[in-house]
Amino acid sequence: EPEVTQTPSHQVTQMGQEVILRCVPISNHLYFYWYRQILGQKVEFLVSFYNNEISEKSEIFDDQFSVERPDGSNFTLKIRSTKLEDSAMYFCAGYRGRQAKNIQYFGAGTRLSVL
Amino acid sequence: RKEVEQDPGPFNVPEGATVAFNCTYSNSASQSFFWYRQDCRKEPKLLMSVYSSGNEDGRFTAQLNRASQYISLLIRDSKLSDSATYLCVVNSGGYNKLIFGAGTRLAVHP
Repeated sequence: EPEVTQTPSHQVTQMGQEVILRCVPISNHLYFYWYRQILGQKVEFLVSFYNNEISEKSEIFDDQFSVERPDGSNFTLKIRSTKLEDSAMYFCAGYRGRQAKNIQYFGAGTRLSVL
Repeated sequence: RKEVEQDPGPFNVPEGATVAFNCTYSNSASQSFFWYRQDCRKEPKLLMSVYSSGNEDGRFTAQLNRASQYISLLIRDSKLSDSATYLCVVNSGGYNKLIFGAGTRLAVHP
């Protein structure tokens, strides 16, 4: 069973539409992250989430982005009004805490295509 | 200076070759260091953590030099299946966010 499961695997949307990307980490993860990777570029940190609140966010993570973990299992990334430049792979990651040697486990990603 | 810097490659090597990748990082406060492997359009997968004492996992050996802020990965006896992009990754900050290098592409040919 994978440590982190993401849905959908591919999301196609029109510019200006809202999208929600979903992630289900294994229950013993304490910290959650979203990263993105634009095609041909490096993986970039977006946001970390701990104890039901954002712990750190990058400059990419502007007001168009939000995260929540409403039911204690699903961890979601919402993009309010998508732009063409939001097209990328979005990876969710989970981390069990320091006893896990700082290792993060990545989901298979959601490929977001904004048309 | 980039936070994590790697030679982008590509490294084209024959099967059985030994290949070495290098990486430098800028944040001296980083505590954890990793090599991840990424296949085309897939998620990064942890290859190995990197410790100051150096560590080995089969054909893979990783080294860390904190004084020089330098990380290396050595792959011995390359296999076709080693073809991938190798990502040098360091952690940053109290919440363990990961900073990725742009990756070094390896192509192993018969």
